[in-house]
Amino acid sequence: GQQLNQSPQSMFIQEGEDVSMNCTSSSIFNTWLWYKQDPGEGPVLLIALYKAGELTSNGRLTAQFGITRKDSFLNISASIPSDVGIYFCAGRKAGSYQLTFGKGTKLSVIP
Amino acid sequence: DTAVSQTPKYLVTQMGNDKSIKCEQNLGHDTMYWYKQDSKKFLKIMFSYNNKELIINETVPNRFSPKSPDKAHLNLHINSLELGDSAVYFCASSQGGGGQGEETQYFGPGTRLLVL
Repeated sequence: GQQLNQSPQSMFIQEGEDVSMNCTSSSIFNTWLWYKQDPGEGPVLLIALYKAGELTSNGRLTAQFGITRKDSFLNISASIPSDVGIYFCAGRKAGSYQLTFGKGTKLSVIP
Repeated sequence: DTAVSQTPKYLVTQMGNDKSIKCEQNLGHDTMYWYKQDSKKFLKIMFSYNNKELIINETVPNRFSPKSPDKAHLNLHINSLELGDSAVYFCASSQGGGGQGEETQYFGPGTRLLVL
């Protein structure tokens, strides 16, 4: 099935640094979602985006729905150790129940 | 209260055995899903049920058979387990309608299957 191109695949950053990751697709999506998966747990929704150009924040997290509807990015400001995990983007096309997931960005934060 | 629960959390079994994984959601959602997460952490949709009706059936070996006794439960039965079935299996649910926010999927904690 179709996949989203998510980058980077992994990141090692110092505590306090800002982080940016993004997802791109050749197809248009009506909804973009960002999830975080902690080790040994299931993915948990962080931010949901519904309109092209929409910019939404959740604490230190900010995500944007690309104007072309083919991309989205997630920023994390002032990273802390508990930000460690795998971040997944997911997109949904109009009229579909199905989410298409990116391959994930594994984030490591060095104290 | 747990929104989406799965049992068992860990499952270790021999090749050739038949096993089942259970999933329950107490969110009142209409749609439930099964995903397989491989060792590279890629999440692959396997099945989806909406109000007990199969709506997504990806290319999955027919050894895998989902069953939905009611819209709050979606179980996964696997026959003749193979080494390659070792993975983490996640159940998820969503409201499933066309309205904004209804497509958001909520995941269970996962079932870690190891086939020896």
